[in-house]
Amino acid sequence: AQSVAQPEDQVNVAEGNPLTVKCTYSVSGNPYLFWYVQYPNRGLQFLLKYITGDNLVKGSYGFEAEFNKSQTSFHLKKPSALVSDSALYFCAVSDPVSGGSYIPTFGRGTSLIVHP
Amino acid sequence: DADVTQTPRNRITKTGKRIMLECSQTKGHDRMYWYRQDPGLGLRLIYYSFDVKDINKGEISDGYSVSRQAQAKFSLSLESAIPNQTALYFCATSAQVPNTGELFFGEGSRLTVL
Repeated sequence: AQSVAQPEDQVNVAEGNPLTVKCTYSVSGNPYLFWYVQYPNRGLQFLLKYITGDNLVKGSYGFEAEFNKSQTSFHLKKPSALVSDSALYFCAVSDPVSGGSYIPTFGRGTSLIVHP
Repeated sequence: DADVTQTPRNRITKTGKRIMLECSQTKGHDRMYWYRQDPGLGLRLIYYSFDVKDINKGEISDGYSVSRQAQAKFSLSLESAIPNQTALYFCATSAQVPNTGELFFGEGSRLTVL
């Protein structure tokens, strides 16, 4: 079975400061990992993914995430936060071993609030 | 135009009524999904379909049914709506090839059951 945990319901950061949104996962095999962002009254938008290769993945809007296999983590990071980054962020994992379905399981979401 | 379109965007209905949420896509993807979003619970999978003749139950399928009318259309029905089905519903698609699990979402359908 696959699962993902986002331990923080909310993250507050001042504009210009670095931000981190945490995600840990559990899968049987090698994970496919994703981050999505949801702005108010909108659907989820894909930010970035890790499939294989370099542990540091770069995505949209200046976001990046680091895959850490030993800690089973995939934290989302940005060096300098913007007020416009305020949104709901979802981590997701899929396990290619699970019959090849690749259907992702989502975390509960973390609300990021960037203060001016 | 949006690649994944959901209708209606908002719907208020009463307990016991039948409701259909519709989803259409222009991405040419074979795989389509219905998710439900509740505050603090994230997204939970209701049903998914890998092609027109394939329908599969997800994590929370009780009280819901689906129809895959064509490659581009996937509808979700609540035969007799109840208040705890009040939620934000998302349709999503993904490619069969290459298959990396990346999903493309519609804008959501907010359903309120009174």
